Amino acid sequence: NAGVMQNPRHLVRRRGQEARLRCSPMKGHSHVYWYRQLPEEGLKFMVYLQKENIIDESGMPKERFSAEFPKEGPSILRIQQVVRGDSAAYFCASSPPLRGNTEAFFGQGTRLTVV
Amino acid sequence: SQQGEEDPQALSIQEGENATMNCSYKTSINNLQWYRQNSGRGLVHLILIRSNEREKHSGRLRVTLDTSKKSSSLLITASRAADTASYFCAESGGSNYKLTFGKGTLLTVNP
Repeated sequence: NAGVMQNPRHLVRRRGQEARLRCSPMKGHSHVYWYRQLPEEGLKFMVYLQKENIIDESGMPKERFSAEFPKEGPSILRIQQVVRGDSAAYFCASSPPLRGNTEAFFGQGTRLTVV
Repeated sequence: SQQGEEDPQALSIQEGENATMNCSYKTSINNLQWYRQNSGRGLVHLILIRSNEREKHSGRLRVTLDTSKKSSSLLITASRAADTASYFCAESGGSNYKLTFGKGTLLTVNP
């Protein structure tokens, strides 16, 4: 059972370009979470999705950021018109349907560098 | 202070010694989890302790939880150089899914 797969591992974008980060959850997991980690910081929650539904996007910046988890295919975190401050590591986690205390499994992350 | 805040921020010990890291949080929790992150890598889940548990063991790891003090500790016994990493606690509050991470403790185990 492969773990949470994220790609690309490293992404370099120029200011103003778009960044698309992909996350394939573990097999059997229908819940996906995205977190952002700035240098020397802990992870900050961004968004929680189930298939075709955004459940909680309270941690997403109001502009330029969007996320989706379609019926088929990976979850996508999309950042439009990137700025230097978007440079960070973006982690995806997945879990099975929540039943009480559920462990989330994290991917290796995508390190976005905006130049 | 920030929720899920670890203490100390950095810890350097010799191989074979024990390492203790502490975590404090603010609100009621469903559970508290500890993760390890090697430099530039993803997070590895170490252990989950439920709010009704006081202590849990997993190999060389021992986690305690004191809900009255809103604190947890992670003890790594007989440390190894390979234990060098950042350690984060993450609390799962009322939402049951949203993890709130601290800034982590950077542990260095010198051979």
